[in-house]
Amino acid sequence: ETGVTQSPTHLIKTRGQQVTLRCSSQSGHNTVSWYQQALGQGPQFIFQYYREEENGRGNFPPRFSGLQFPNYSSELNVNALELDDSALYLCASSLAPELRGEQYFGPGTRLTVT
Amino acid sequence: KQEVTQIPAALSVPEGENLVLNCSFTDSAIYNLQWFRQDPGKGLTSLLLIQSSQREQTSGRLNASLDKSSGRSTLYIAASQPGDSATYLCAGTGSGNTGKLIFGQGTTLQVKP
Repeated sequence: ETGVTQSPTHLIKTRGQQVTLRCSSQSGHNTVSWYQQALGQGPQFIFQYYREEENGRGNFPPRFSGLQFPNYSSELNVNALELDDSALYLCASSLAPELRGEQYFGPGTRLTVT
Repeated sequence: KQEVTQIPAALSVPEGENLVLNCSFTDSAIYNLQWFRQDPGKGLTSLLLIQSSQREQTSGRLNASLDKSSGRSTLYIAASQPGDSATYLCAGTGSGNTGKLIFGQGTTLQVKP
């Protein structure tokens, strides 16, 4: 157990809808990174939040957005869902980014878009 | 642009065998390398982190090495057990300020009793 939690576990949405995924970081960690893992692929970096601000973004469109709260928990929001957004969404918590320390992953949220 | 490749994509071995999983990366400027285990439909469990100044790490039956000059990392599993069956992913961090992980596609291991 890493201490990183994600909710919900599973989610089914219709194309065009919006979704919010949540992540609670491990105690003592102030950085949360989000990844998308399509079936049979390695995870792809979406973005990272550090001290409540976005600190780097991967190759994802603006309809993927996020927030980090003062307790360092985080949300991932996806607007105008597309079928290709169906994936396992993983969050990882870590210490400050410049330390490049170990990243601890949550169990993930499985999103299905129909 | 950093790319990470894992070969083979799948591996099936009898219980008790020692095995090596391979990970290669294109940019020798890789900073850290982390190995993960993923069970079907689950999140990632960190196995070993090799930091920039290190060449290898060991935990129980697992040993991971990192050779930046050749762009390779290997994960050695000794005396494999059926419980080791899972997908193993390697991921490197670059020199940027996010420490974002760049993943390979994984090697799916099946250990047969």
